[in-house]
Amino acid sequence: EVQLVESGGGLVQPGGSLRLFCAASGFTFSTYDMHWARQGTGKGLEWVAGIGTAGDTNYAGSVKGRFTISRENAKNSLYLQMNSLRAGDTAVYYCARGLPGGFDPWGQGTLVTVSS
Amino acid sequence: QSVLTQPPSVSAAPGQKVTISCSGSSSNVGNNYVSWYQQVPGTAPKLLIYENNKRPSGIPDRFSGSKSGTSATLGITGLQTGDEADYYCLAWDSSLSSVLFGGGTQLTVL
Repeated sequence: EVQLVESGGGLVQPGGSLRLFCAASGFTFSTYDMHWARQGTGKGLEWVAGIGTAGDTNYAGSVKGRFTISRENAKNSLYLQMNSLRAGDTAVYYCARGLPGGFDPWGQGTLVTVSS
Repeated sequence: QSVLTQPPSVSAAPGQKVTISCSGSSSNVGNNYVSWYQQVPGTAPKLLIYENNKRPSGIPDRFSGSKSGTSATLGITGLQTGDEADYYCLAWDSSLSSVLFGGGTQLTVL
């Protein structure tokens, strides 16, 4: 079964850092693009970042320069390093496998709360 | 405000048909694949349609996707109460080098 499981969320103060993890199983991780997306409470989905099979990365403008997406194929793992966190970054963060024309599957999400 | 425009809400009776639009531009919907997602509140999004009009295995043929120019449409026939959810479109934007989501549409089955 193809599965993605996120972890690493929690409460962090404004200006702080947090690293999210996504453990993949059930597919050949190294051959797929991977993405992070987020959803604030009561809000819509927002794409955060993506990483290709060759390690090429793309970021949403709202997080560029503060967040870093990376992957470790040997461990079937995806990461999101989040620095200089703001209240507006408070959201459930999802990882998702990228297909040529969509994202599937999605993990269950991990909650990040930025508050003093 | 999202670059991909969806109606905030749609509604229809059980058994009826509903369509949800996703309007963009030539840099996203017009020249890239559109996908659609269903999200029941409190759960992760689920892929319904990919590559504009293809259904993953397990998605019933009551769900369909189409695209014309810079607009895409999700169609749902034979509405069921279990279809009540939020629906999102997604497309890559070649100018922004970013993935874009629509603002989401809340479906109510009356």
